[in-house]
Amino acid sequence: GAVVSQHPSRVICKSGTSVKIECRSLDFQATTMFWYRQFPKQSLMLMATSNEGSKATYEQGVEKDKFLINHASLTLSTLTVTSAHPEDSSFYICSARALAAGSDTQYFGPGTRLTVL
Amino acid sequence: SQKIEQNSEALNIQEGKTATLTCNYTNYSPAYLQWYRQDPGRGPVFLLLIRENEKEKRKERLKVTFDTTLKQSLFHITASQPADSATYLCALPNTGGFKTIFGAGTRLFVKA
Repeated sequence: GAVVSQHPSRVICKSGTSVKIECRSLDFQATTMFWYRQFPKQSLMLMATSNEGSKATYEQGVEKDKFLINHASLTLSTLTVTSAHPEDSSFYICSARALAAGSDTQYFGPGTRLTVL
Repeated sequence: SQKIEQNSEALNIQEGKTATLTCNYTNYSPAYLQWYRQDPGRGPVFLLLIRENEKEKRKERLKVTFDTTLKQSLFHITASQPADSATYLCALPNTGGFKTIFGAGTRLFVKA
């Protein structure tokens, strides 16, 4: 099956610093990548949709200046949490939708655990 | 607005039994429905997709049904094993079909 990687898998940072998370589709091209966050025992909440070569579309309530998304190629999207604060601590997961026509399945990365001290 | 409901209570069953998880949705008619498995601290893994014109779909020990009248999907794991213990998420496309909405998931524990 399709493989999506995320890096880093875990990061601890001080309040006020910025953290970049990478999401890569390893064996397929992804027209669209999605960024989610998940709090303990809760569902995945979509933060933004990222399309290669264009600006990301953010969900209501998600600050675009705080969560910077760059989709540089068909295999790479990055999420930068700027000026992170303890309330940004969460599990961030990316997913990629394959380029093939009729493909409705998202393939998820393993997630990144962010802890802001 | 679109809403997905999964039983928030954990499901505990004995090894070898069939686990049945429920997903109910309201306020729209999705063209398809998906089930994912998520282990603690990991991203979801796709299991099955069933389309609105399919009543049932099987994959090894997994079976999914899709009742568009009841607006419900049932997810069955037959001959369950302790390794099946995980959270199972139901997911549906939004009205435009471009985004996926996830249920909160049901935690399954299979006891040896």
